[in-house]
Amino acid sequence: NAGVTQTPKFQVLKTGQSMTLQCAQDMNHNSMYWYRQDPGMGLRLIYYSASEGTTDKGEVPNGYNVSRLNKREFSLRLESAAPSQTSVYFCASRTGTGGQSSYNSPLHFGNGTRLTVT
Amino acid sequence: GDSVTQMEGPVTLSEEAFLTINCTYTATGYPSLFWYVQYPGEGLQLLLKATKADDKGSNKGFEATYRKETTSFHLEKGSVQVSDSAVYFCALSDRTGGGNKLTFGTGTQLKVEL
Repeated sequence: NAGVTQTPKFQVLKTGQSMTLQCAQDMNHNSMYWYRQDPGMGLRLIYYSASEGTTDKGEVPNGYNVSRLNKREFSLRLESAAPSQTSVYFCASRTGTGGQSSYNSPLHFGNGTRLTVT
Repeated sequence: GDSVTQMEGPVTLSEEAFLTINCTYTATGYPSLFWYVQYPGEGLQLLLKATKADDKGSNKGFEATYRKETTSFHLEKGSVQVSDSAVYFCALSDRTGGGNKLTFGTGTQLKVEL
């Protein structure tokens, strides 16, 4: 049972380059999320998708775009990478689409993508 | 808005010592509370959760009790092992605002030595 799979595991970009981080889950979850993790700041939500076809901004969306390709896949795109986007990126998913069906259910995380922008 | 405050680390303990990691929260509604653990090089894993006041979540010897009166959810373990060395995150999921987002604390690193 793969759970949440993220690719790539590591990436180095130069300032201004673009890239897409891929995420797929095989648990038939409705909600998917992208977080970034930085030392001393915990996890901060970038974007989330409550269901296929919908996306919403989180706490730190600037400089990112997302696509909910289908129920399984949720990608994160950096159009023009900046050194401030050096971070570890985590994708997560959970059951439910919001409200009563979601708030009790835990997130399931991938193993992360470590991105360095020089 | 919602927020979670955890004690700063690292916390360094000897094996078999008692562990407490403090967590307090601020929420606009009536949240569910979670503890997650992150081992080196891995994503976060759910450790335990509690969904209403006075509930006690427990798993692998860890416990935390949902205290609404003190807005706290402190993590405890009676006897830690070297294998418990990891980063621990407290988080809340609020019923208001669609219940779709989890708010995390900054994490507390635990180091257990022989």
